Amino acid sequence: DAGITQSPRHKVTETGTPVTLRCHQTENHRYMYWYRQDPGHGLRLIHYSYGVKDTDKGEVSDGYSVSRSKTEDFLLTLESATSSQTSVYFCAISPPRGEQYFGPGTRLTVT
Amino acid sequence: KQEVTQIPAALSVPEGENLVLNCSFTDSAIYNLQWFRQDPGKGLTSLLLIQSSQREQTSGRLNASLDKSSGRSTLYIAASQPGDSATYLCAGDRGSTLGRLYFGRGTQLTVWP
Repeated sequence: DAGITQSPRHKVTETGTPVTLRCHQTENHRYMYWYRQDPGHGLRLIHYSYGVKDTDKGEVSDGYSVSRSKTEDFLLTLESATSSQTSVYFCAISPPRGEQYFGPGTRLTVT
Repeated sequence: KQEVTQIPAALSVPEGENLVLNCSFTDSAIYNLQWFRQDPGKGLTSLLLIQSSQREQTSGRLNASLDKSSGRSTLYIAASQPGDSATYLCAGDRGSTLGRLYFGRGTQLTVWP
């Protein structure tokens, strides 16, 4: 398995609180991605990174921000969590033009 | 916007059958195409990657093909087994968007003994 870990694996938080999810890789891949998976929508891209400090928005980026200060870490922050952000969040990594590998996911519940 | 359709949405078959899962893209300009497997409550496991210069890939009992002219891909599973039961997802990128994958909603496969 590709060396990707996500933390925390499960989190319950209240509406309006900030939340940060962490993705850590040991593969030294250049590209990292955050997706969310919801019933009826499949997986959708939130943000992605193509290098340290280089990030861009995906199709569902509103309410989320990201940071990448090191090759191995990609952080996803929900600035003020809402119930619509209850979801399963997956991190993925890949080399340029290559196969994407996914982490185990974080199940987030916003109450 | 790229839309990805997977047919059928669900499939239940007896062990030993050969299966075909289908995936189609509204924009046929696919650069890389990946098939994934997802078990309940788990992450995605990459099964096959068809890169831009390729038309098909094989791994064991799995064979995936991509027709770029029509934007359609098929995943063929030979001699299905109960352990193949999972949701199968296809995803493609458009090359110019730095590997951003567009996913279908998956085919939920059940193989019964």
